[in-house]
Amino acid sequence: EAGVVQSPRYKIIEKKQPVAFWCNPISGHNTLYWYRQNLGQGPELLIRYENEEAVDDSQLPKDRFSAERLKGVDSTLKIQPAELGDSAVYLCASSLVGPSGYSYEQYFGPGTRLTVT
Amino acid sequence: TQLLEQSPQFLSIQEGENLTVYCNSSSVFSSLQWYRQEPGEGPVLLVTVVTGGEVKKLKRLTFQFGDARKDSSLHITAAQPGDTGLYLCAGSGRQNFVFGPGTRLSVLP
Repeated sequence: EAGVVQSPRYKIIEKKQPVAFWCNPISGHNTLYWYRQNLGQGPELLIRYENEEAVDDSQLPKDRFSAERLKGVDSTLKIQPAELGDSAVYLCASSLVGPSGYSYEQYFGPGTRLTVT
Repeated sequence: TQLLEQSPQFLSIQEGENLTVYCNSSSVFSSLQWYRQEPGEGPVLLVTVVTGGEVKKLKRLTFQFGDARKDSSLHITAAQPGDTGLYLCAGSGRQNFVFGPGTRLSVLP
């Protein structure tokens, strides 16, 4: 079974430029997460989708970040314009959430390492 | 807001030693996961514990969930250089995952 796929793996851009990250979750997983991980820290949730609906985007800096999950499968996270402080690893994860609303496990992709210069 | 703390933050030991890392919270979680993350990769799920007091073993790794489901520990016996990495705990509540900051383990040959 294929895992969570992310691309690109690495991206270097100049500040004020736009950037986009793509994620393909595990087949059948209805919930998708985007996290940001700074060096030496744990992942911090940016946005969570259940199917195509964003159910938790409280930590997403909406002035410059946007995300979409068309048809409840693949997802794209965009930053426009990028700032120096956006340099981090952006992780995508997916899980299967049952009718009770609980998910016990999530599976991560390899991440996209963004460097803003 | 649910928060998870992990200790120690850093740990450097010699091959063959035993170690325990901790994950603590003031909140109750429905389950707790442990992940290991290597440089340049995403976190990889090691185990999920669900029941208070539950103990799970994965080869040389022993995971325990506290009786009150607020804390967990990971014990590694006879650590090997391949155990080196960032160990993350994550608590699962209703429709939410919360990650701790991680324990960075270095096992020296």
